Amino acid sequence: LAKTTQPISMDSYEGQEVNITCSHNNIATNDYITWYQQFPSQGPRFIIQGYKTKVTNEVASLFIPADRKSSTLSLPRVSLSDTAVYYCLVGEKGGATNKLIFGTGTLLAVQP
Amino acid sequence: SQTIHQWPATLVQPVGSPLSLECTVEGTSNPNLYWYRQAAGRGLQLLFYSVGIGQISSEVPQNLSASRPQDRQFILSSKKLLLSDSGFYLCAWGLNTEAFFGQGTRLTVV
Repeated sequence: LAKTTQPISMDSYEGQEVNITCSHNNIATNDYITWYQQFPSQGPRFIIQGYKTKVTNEVASLFIPADRKSSTLSLPRVSLSDTAVYYCLVGEKGGATNKLIFGTGTLLAVQP
Repeated sequence: SQTIHQWPATLVQPVGSPLSLECTVEGTSNPNLYWYRQAAGRGLQLLFYSVGIGQISSEVPQNLSASRPQDRQFILSSKKLLLSDSGFYLCAWGLNTEAFFGQGTRLTVV
């Protein structure tokens, strides 16, 4: 399983765009990149998933360069309610085990 | 639609007492099931995962065990709790690389 590395914390202000980058140098050919959001005392919630280039949904965008050794979660115009821990995971879609190892995540603190 | 139930929400147990946390999933068959623990201010630690009935893989040597007696039931147990077992326990079921979590159990061992 590819190991991921993220910044421990980030600060932002309301209305700004926030980009959180995750490094996964050992990503395998069949691995997908998935991001989760976790609020205190709750389980993580799926945000977005991608394999290459760019994926966008109603919540965020995910940018993946051609070498796929990193990915960037982009949150447009954050609000106070986006304060949470964000995790990046790398794993094989449809794999036999899908162990789903979460790293330490990035604590995003949005201030007014 | 799929739902996951985990109980209880909070639990206070004395050191040396047994533990049993239960998790059930509805609306899907043969899911991958997971138990995680999260210490205060820390990331999620994978404790156990299961790809089928009776199939349990342990990720971290510890004072805990897991069982899957039915396809959609996952149980986390301990015979004798330690203070270090305190934490936030989360059950999840997985589809490909997407995981869906229960509400969690806040366990305090005193």
